[in-house]
This record gives sequence, structure tokens and C-alpha cells, in this order.
Amino acid sequence: DGGITQSPKYLFRKEGQNVTLSCEQNLNHDAMYWYRQDPGQGLRLIYYSQIVNDFQKGDIAEGYSVSREKKESFPLTVTSAQKNPTAFYLCASCQSSYNSPLHFGNGTRLTVT
Amino acid sequence: DQQVKQNSPSLSVQEGRISILNCDYTNSMFDYFLWYKKYPAEGPTFLISISSIKDKNEDGRFTVFLNKSAKHLSLHIVPSQPGDSAVYFCAASKTGGSQGNLIFGKGTKLSVKP
Repeated sequence: DGGITQSPKYLFRKEGQNVTLSCEQNLNHDAMYWYRQDPGQGLRLIYYSQIVNDFQKGDIAEGYSVSREKKESFPLTVTSAQKNPTAFYLCASCQSSYNSPLHFGNGTRLTVT
Repeated sequence: DQQVKQNSPSLSVQEGRISILNCDYTNSMFDYFLWYKKYPAEGPTFLISISSIKDKNEDGRFTVFLNKSAKHLSLHIVPSQPGDSAVYFCAASKTGGSQGNLIFGKGTKLSVKP
């Protein structure tokens, strides 16, 4: 079954530590995205990548970093510079063709204390 | 400044009746609009979309209406079923943008009561 896998589902870290969230897709999609959801808020774009070895900042990229070394993988690192890291993180992918639907993973809930 | 607004945080509807979820936008450059459905602890799933060249798109029980002059779109679900209970996000994309560069509303939580 094709899809997007995010792991782990729940992640706990102490303040000041970097943490990396995994996102893997086997849909052969070119483009991948990271969104963040906070309670009562819409999804906000952190970073996106439309091709391997290339990525762009979204609306709230500060305190985050990404890499896209393989088409299937787009890990997100939440650094200690991110002031409010506790959130629900969603990875998504789609074909690069215009208006191709986004497919989302089931998310990782990160709690930083 | 919120470019996509869903002004109703929640909506409760009786099973079998119509559910109408509303969405307003401010940016006239948006040319494609989508609705996503999200269950707790899961990622959103794509539901239905509409291009700005149309004013209506229908898929089974789901219909999206677009009123460009009012910068308003709505999602109609008829008849509503308990399994439709979820959070519904409205999203929009700009001309030339890839579909992933979406601007999302804050969502409306729909509860369909048996």
C-alpha cells in the first residue's frame, strides 16, 4: 500500500535538544512538505521541497531545518532555536503537476518540556 | 493577517440533514480551493476541490460552491452521516504555486448526531 509514514507518532524531548522527525513516502511523489498544526489553528507551512537536493522555506521556517537527499525521504529537524516546538507536525507529498492533491501522513506529536 | 477564514469553529447537525461549512478568503490571486477532512490524531485527507473558473463541483454527497465576487466558498454535505464528524479545513492556492503551498483556514469541527 502506497502512503506516507511519519515516525514516531509521539515524541518527547527536553528543552534545548534538537530532534529529528522522520517522513518517508512510497508514492513516487516529487514534492514533499512539512506543516505544523497548533490547537485551534490551521496548518502552517514550515519547509517544502519540489526536487531532490533542493528545498525552500515556508511561512514559519525559523528554528527548523530539513534535508532532501532521497526522493522518498524528507526529515525535519526541530532545533533548540525554535521557541515553541511543542506541536503536531504533518508531512505531506504530491506530484509536481499543478493542482495534484496533497497526501498527508498521520503526523508526529512533539512535546518539549 | 488571515487570508483564509473559517469563522465557525464548530457545527452540529442531525444525521440525514445538510451540513454547510463556510470559508472566506481575502486574496484575489487564489485560483484553486480545496477542502480537507481530518480525524483526531490522523493527517488530513483530500475531500474535494474547485478551480476559480468554476462555481460548483460535485462528488457524491459533497458539493463545493464558489462565489468569486464575494470571495466565499462553501462545502455542502447531503445527507450528513455520523462518520462525517471530523474537522474540515478549507485551503487555497495562488496562481502558479504548487499545490502544496496551500494557505489553510483554522478548521470547522463538524459533529453529526444520530
